[in-house]
Amino acid sequence: AQSVTQLDSHVSVSEGTPVLLRCNYSSSYSPSLFWYVQHPNKGLQLLLKYTSAATLVKGINGFEAEFKKSETSFHLTKPSAHMSDAAEYFCVVSVNTGGFKTIFGAGTRLFVKA
Amino acid sequence: KAGVTQTPRYLIKTRGQQVTLSCSPISGHRSVSWYQQTPGQGLQFLFEYFSETQRNKGNFPGRFSGRQFSNSRSEMNVSTLELGDSALYLCASSLARRPEETQYFGPGTRLLVL
Repeated sequence: AQSVTQLDSHVSVSEGTPVLLRCNYSSSYSPSLFWYVQHPNKGLQLLLKYTSAATLVKGINGFEAEFKKSETSFHLTKPSAHMSDAAEYFCVVSVNTGGFKTIFGAGTRLFVKA
Repeated sequence: KAGVTQTPRYLIKTRGQQVTLSCSPISGHRSVSWYQQTPGQGLQFLFEYFSETQRNKGNFPGRFSGRQFSNSRSEMNVSTLELGDSALYLCASSLARRPEETQYFGPGTRLLVL
């Protein structure tokens, strides 16, 4: 079975400090992994994705994530938080199980303090 | 290229009524998925359409249905509305049915059932 666990429901950082949003996954198949961001009253926007190429993936707005198969993790990081990063972040796993299956994590709300 | 559009953006209905939501995918995208987002349950997969055929269905009652037209536009219908159907309904389109495909989300339709 496939599952995604976002380890923190809320994360609070100060502007200019690093961001770490944690995601663990479970999959019997080779997964594709995504991070999406959702700003209030908006749809979801892709930040980055891993699709079995480089394990360190760079995305938009300075975000990056590292796929670690041994730890079944895909944590999202950013060196320096900006006020505009305050939003909800979703880790997503997608696999081909003979059918096409996409599973969203519960989300992590990021707060950025001035 | 225009993004995914959803209409209407906001809707208020009363219990027992039915509602139809519309989604226009990005030009050239053939896969359309629908999700329900609520504070309590997070993002839940409703169904996916590809080439006018439902390919995948989430764990929702039969009151939730959908269809896709030959131009890839999609509609979802909810009959006999219940209070618990109040949610943000998100539509996403992708080029093809592969796990590594990026889903592009619309802004959503916010449904309030009174």
